[in-house]
Amino acid sequence: EIVLTQSPATLSLSPGERATLSCRASQSVTGYLAWYQQKPGQAPRLLIYDASNRATGIPARFSGSGSGTDFTLTISSLEPEDFAVYYCQQRDYWPPIFTFGPGTKVDFK
Amino acid sequence: QVRLVESGGGVVQPGRSLRLSCAVSGFMFSGYGMQWVRQAPGKGPEWVAVISNDGVHKYDADFVKGRFTISRDNSKNTLYLQMDSLRGEDTAVYYCARSRPGSSYYAPDVWGQGTTVTVSS
Repeated sequence: EIVLTQSPATLSLSPGERATLSCRASQSVTGYLAWYQQKPGQAPRLLIYDASNRATGIPARFSGSGSGTDFTLTISSLEPEDFAVYYCQQRDYWPPIFTFGPGTKVDFK
Repeated sequence: QVRLVESGGGVVQPGRSLRLSCAVSGFMFSGYGMQWVRQAPGKGPEWVAVISNDGVHKYDADFVKGRFTISRDNSKNTLYLQMDSLRGEDTAVYYCARSRPGSSYYAPDVWGQGTTVTVSS
C-alpha cells in the first residue's frame, strides 16, 4: 500500500506570496497523482490531475509537477480565496485503489 | 448543469445497516465511473470504493472488508452504497463523486455535497 506524506502540515503565508506544497509517496506512483482543494463545509475540488494537468476551470496560478515519489503543487501568487486545505491523492495502477495524503493547510500569516 | 445529490445518511446504532443514494443529473451517468469518498470529523478524505460505468467492476478500500457494497442503477441515474455492520469509526460525511472523463478509474472531478452518517448507540 502506497502511503502519501504531505509537507508542511501548515503553511502560513500572505496574499500575493508563492505557495509550494509537497507530496511524497512511499513508493513510486504511476502518475495518477491528483491535488484537491477543500474549504470548510465544502467537498474537495479537483485542481490538478496526472501530476501536472489543470482541471477544467482551475486558474493558471495553480500548477503541479513531479514524478516518481516526489510531487509539488505550486500556487504562484496567493489570492484570498486560496486559503484552504490541500490534499494529494494517488491511484494504484491495479487494482485501482486510491489514497489521500493527510493534507497541508494554507492559512494567513 | 452537473449535479450529484446524496441522501440516506442519519444516525444508526453500531452493527446496523444503512444505504446511501446519490442521484445524478446533467451528464450521461452510464458513461462514467463513480466513487464514494468519506471524511470523518476533523480528518482528511478517505477513499471508499469505485464502480465502473457499466457496474460490472468494483474495487474498494481495505477497511471496507466486505461490509460495504457499491452499486449503481444506470436506468435511474443513481449510485448506491450499502453499508452493513456499521462501526463508530464509520462516522463521517460520505461524498459521491464522478470519475474524470476517459476512464472509470480516473480521479474524481465532480463531487456531491455529502451526506452525514453517525454511528452511535
